Amino acid sequence: DIQMTQSPASLSASLGETVTIECRASEDIYNGLAWYQQKPGKSPQLLIYNANSLHTGVPSRFSGSGSGTQYSLKINSLQSEDVASYFCQQYYDYPWTFGGGTKLELK
Amino acid sequence: EVQLVETGGGLVQPGKSLKLTCATSGFTFSTAWMHWVRQSPDKRLEWIARIKDKSNNYATDYVESVKGRFTISRDDSKSSVYLQMNSLKEEDTATYYCTTSGSYGDYFDYWGQGVMVTVSS
Repeated sequence: DIQMTQSPASLSASLGETVTIECRASEDIYNGLAWYQQKPGKSPQLLIYNANSLHTGVPSRFSGSGSGTQYSLKINSLQSEDVASYFCQQYYDYPWTFGGGTKLELK
Repeated sequence: EVQLVETGGGLVQPGKSLKLTCATSGFTFSTAWMHWVRQSPDKRLEWIARIKDKSNNYATDYVESVKGRFTISRDDSKSSVYLQMNSLKEEDTATYYCTTSGSYGDYFDYWGQGVMVTVSS
């Protein structure tokens, strides 16, 4: 199975700040990567697919980049509503696997 | 609006069975590939099962940890997908989500609200 390693596990940032979350795959996943946001008590919601494509309705302050085994999610101009946990997921190879998550809090 | 509503969760003893239902609306269910994903109490997410559509012979796939115990199925006439869980173990305790498959790959573009399953004696 492809292992997905996210960093950091938790992050504290100020409003308006730019935040970057990293995700590393144990092998090349050829941009088969998605990012999800999960707010407390809610189900995960898709943000990014194909490593850098924004899902419908997702604010443009979210962006994804990367290739090979290294990917990142960037949040520009952090808003209070961005407080959540973020997960990456590879769908290049079965079984589909997730990173352990990054909990983002406000400083 | 896409809607996915899971039901059927609850408290069950180890070794027993439970069947989850996901009722859907707002999209063309008959051509959609559907998944179940679960989230353990420590918040880790795990994909557990997928079912393809009729044109792909309703083919199914499972994560190794549930193979032979869980069965995913669907009823296109009811726009519903099911998860039959047998021989439940304490490590199956989780919130179970029904999801749709993305247009460009097996990512999960819409999620239900989730249903809690607790396996405990």
